[in-house]
Amino acid sequence: EAQVTQNPRYLITVTGKKLTVTCSQNMNHEYMSWYRQDPGLGLRQIYYSMNVEVTDKGDVPEGYKVSRKEKRNFPLILESPSPNQTSLYFCASSQFRDNTQYFGPGTRLTVL
Amino acid sequence: QQPVQSPQAVILREGEDAVINCSSSKALYSVHWYRQKHGEAPVFLMILLKGGEQKGHEKISASFNEKKQQSSLYLTASQLSYSGTYFCGTEPTSGSRLTFGEGTQLTVNP
Repeated sequence: EAQVTQNPRYLITVTGKKLTVTCSQNMNHEYMSWYRQDPGLGLRQIYYSMNVEVTDKGDVPEGYKVSRKEKRNFPLILESPSPNQTSLYFCASSQFRDNTQYFGPGTRLTVL
Repeated sequence: QQPVQSPQAVILREGEDAVINCSSSKALYSVHWYRQKHGEAPVFLMILLKGGEQKGHEKISASFNEKKQQSSLYLTASQLSYSGTYFCGTEPTSGSRLTFGEGTQLTVNP
C-alpha cells in the first residue's frame, strides 16, 4: 500500500531534550516536506527536499533541522525543543513538485 | 506570503452549494486544494496550473483566474461527507515553495 508513515504519532517531552520525528514513504517520491499545523494558522512549511541531499527552508525553519540521506526517509530533528514548538506535524511527499502531495498521519508533539 | 481564504467558516444544509475563495498578492503558477477532516491528515483534491483548464472531481470543481491571482472551489449539492477544513496552497513559480492558506471550515448539516 502506497503510504507515508511517521513515528511517533504522539510525543510528550521536556524543553531542551533532543528528539527526532521520522518520516518514510514507499512511493519513490523525489519531493518531501515537513509542515506544522497550529489553530488559526493553517499548514506552514518547515523544510522541504527536492531530492537526496537537497533540502531547503520553508516558512518556519527556526529550531528545526532535516536531512535527506535516502530517498525514502526525511527525518525532522529538534535539537533543543521549546514549548512554542508544541504543534501537530505532518510529513508529505510527491512524485514531482506540482503533483499530488501525500500526507502522513501526523505527529502530535507537546513540549513541556 | 500566505494566500488569503474566504470565508473562514461556512455552515450548510445537505444539498446546498458553497464557494471557497483563495487569493494571493503574487502571480501564481499553481493552486492546490486539500480537504482535512477532523483528526486526520489533509487529502489532495485537485491542482490547477497556470494556463490549465478548470478541474472537477465529482461534485467539487475549481477555477483559477491567473490575472486576478485567485482560485475558487465550488461544492455543489453538498453531502455530509464534505464537512472538513479546506486548504488552498499556492505556488508562485514552478519548483518554489507551496504556501497554504489558513483554511475554511465547512460544516454540512442534515
